[in-house]
Amino acid sequence: KQEVTQIPAALSVPEGENLVLNCSFTDSAIYNLQWFRQDPGKGLTSLLLIQSSQREQTSGRLNASLDKSSGRSTLYIAASQPGDSATYLCAVPTQSLYNFNKFYFGSGTKLNVKP
Amino acid sequence: ETGVTQTPRHLVMGMTNKKSLKCEQHLGHNAMYWYKQSAKKPLELMFVYNFKEQTENNSVPSRFSPECPNSSHLFLHLHTLQPEDSALYLCASSQDARPRLEQFFGPGTRLTVL
Repeated sequence: KQEVTQIPAALSVPEGENLVLNCSFTDSAIYNLQWFRQDPGKGLTSLLLIQSSQREQTSGRLNASLDKSSGRSTLYIAASQPGDSATYLCAVPTQSLYNFNKFYFGSGTKLNVKP
Repeated sequence: ETGVTQTPRHLVMGMTNKKSLKCEQHLGHNAMYWYKQSAKKPLELMFVYNFKEQTENNSVPSRFSPECPNSSHLFLHLHTLQPEDSALYLCASSQDARPRLEQFFGPGTRLTVL
């Protein structure tokens, strides 16, 4: 069974800092890896999807990298802002017994950006 | 807005009640999912429907009963729940259930079982 771990569990930084969130997974036979943002009590918003053949994806101030062989992904946030405060989740889809999409999620990193 | 809506957004029910959660997607997708998010635990996949057929039941107790009448709608019928079932229930959809495809999530229903 795939296990997804996110470190750190919580992070508090002053506004303007660059920061890195980490995600590791135990089974490197993945199709892709997806980063989500979740605001308190809300659903998930997709941030970036990296296919297994890609090394990184960028969207605005966000950059996600993927190293399949080592089972790691990082989400880099440049010039952090208070509006970035949320919980960030990584998810890894894998083939289930019936060959359909099954996502394994990490527990998330709760980010607080202080003004 | 992700194109996936859920109602109600909040629900409080007693252990003997029967209620239903509703999910609707406006993306033309063919796969829909129910997830459970409990406090301090990772999201757990509950059910998967692909082209209206249930393809996954992740060992979910029978007090949770899903229904998918068409590709745009997904329901989760609840009866005789336990307090430990209190959680955020999230619905998601994707083009179909192939692993490479991106999932889009609704805002969730916050369920409290008294």
